[in-house]
Amino acid sequence: DVKVTQSSRYLVKRTGEKVFLECVQDMDHENMFWYRQDPGLGLRLIYFSYDVKMKEKGDIPEGYSVSREKKERFSLILESASTNQTSMYLCASSPRRDEQYFGPGTRLTVT
Amino acid sequence: AQKVTQAQTEISVVEKEDVTLDCVYETRDTTYYLFWYKQPPSGELVFLIRRNSFDEQNEISGRYSWNFQKSTSSFNFTITASQVVDSAVYFCALSETGAGSYQLTFGKGTKLSVIP
Repeated sequence: DVKVTQSSRYLVKRTGEKVFLECVQDMDHENMFWYRQDPGLGLRLIYFSYDVKMKEKGDIPEGYSVSREKKERFSLILESASTNQTSMYLCASSPRRDEQYFGPGTRLTVT
Repeated sequence: AQKVTQAQTEISVVEKEDVTLDCVYETRDTTYYLFWYKQPPSGELVFLIRRNSFDEQNEISGRYSWNFQKSTSSFNFTITASQVVDSAVYFCALSETGAGSYQLTFGKGTKLSVIP
């Protein structure tokens, strides 16, 4: 079974804090993705990575950065959290262009 | 640019009714993949099916069936004899196969409520 884990299910941070969201997959997948999900907007891609140390911007990268130092781990970084980054964050991984497998999500609240 | 439209925002049905979730897509590619995902109240997206653009055969898996029609750019999902456990948000997604295209474009989802 493919397993994608995310470091926290729920997180509360203050405006201006630096926030790290961690994602780990155990299936040696090349590709990893970070999405945010908001009511009425569906899933929007923030960043993705198709190899270690490689990253590509998605549709809404502003205010975010990512890091992929090891194949199994993909981190999303909010350099200075703002209230409009309150959202559900979903990590996914996939082998090449096959279906993506999702983690349980992190519900982040920025106050 | 690719686009996926799920026109139905919310649907409510009574248990045992059949229900069809619509998905219409736009793409310039001739080779692409279509997907359906289920997101139950727990939040984790669950993969249901992948279809490539060259395979227009309908697919049936238990109470689930999918109707892919290239002529109308649609990939509709039908649940037969719905059950309360089918209550979830369902997402349709598209992946193009051009160079560097690894990402999925998701529709905004259809929230299905099955009432006992």
